[in-house]
Amino acid sequence: GQNIDQPTEMTATEGAIVQINCTYQTSGFNGLFWYQQHAGEAPTFLSYNVLDGLEEKGRFSSFLSRSKGYSYLLLKELQMKDSASYLCAARDSNYQLIWGAGTKLIIKP
Amino acid sequence: IAGITQAPTSQILAAGRRMTLRCTQDMRHNAMYWYRQDLGLGLRLIHYSNTAGTTGKGEVPDGYSVSRANTDDFPLTLASAVPSQTSVYFCASSDSAETDTQYFGPGTRLTVL
Repeated sequence: GQNIDQPTEMTATEGAIVQINCTYQTSGFNGLFWYQQHAGEAPTFLSYNVLDGLEEKGRFSSFLSRSKGYSYLLLKELQMKDSASYLCAARDSNYQLIWGAGTKLIIKP
Repeated sequence: IAGITQAPTSQILAAGRRMTLRCTQDMRHNAMYWYRQDLGLGLRLIHYSNTAGTTGKGEVPDGYSVSRANTDDFPLTLASAVPSQTSVYFCASSDSAETDTQYFGPGTRLTVL
């Protein structure tokens, strides 16, 4: 079966760095997405990896290892507004997104 | 530019009633999707359309139907609502199903009593 695993909840301190891990098992693989979702709002796109390595975009970076079925999202210089759920999704051989349940990130002052 | 709009924002519905959730995008995207999001679960694909005139079934299609008469609109119909269809419904679109990012509408919160 197809499966995405990510931690349910994480807590971090304002100004710190946090890494959110995601492991995936899909039938075929056509890329890995990270989305941010604030409570009561729609998911918004953060990053996309299809090749191994690190993609950096401002305070956010995303890493992919296809051989390990593993990705992480790295958030630096955490701000209170980063409190949200972070959704990992892998695109399978049918080009459909398989979604994890999301990681709720709590930022403390 | 509105992007993707959904209506209604929220709805309380009696079981057995018929309901259509509306979704409209103004980005001229080819592909559109309907997801439901339930607490503790990932987004689950209900139906999708890779291009106007075509539709396909996702992971959880039972009890739902869709149509794609034109590029912009992708309505989702619940023929006879049941309490297990209580959820938040998100419509999304992408320029291409194969290569592009999906962008989401604001969602419809549906409660079936």
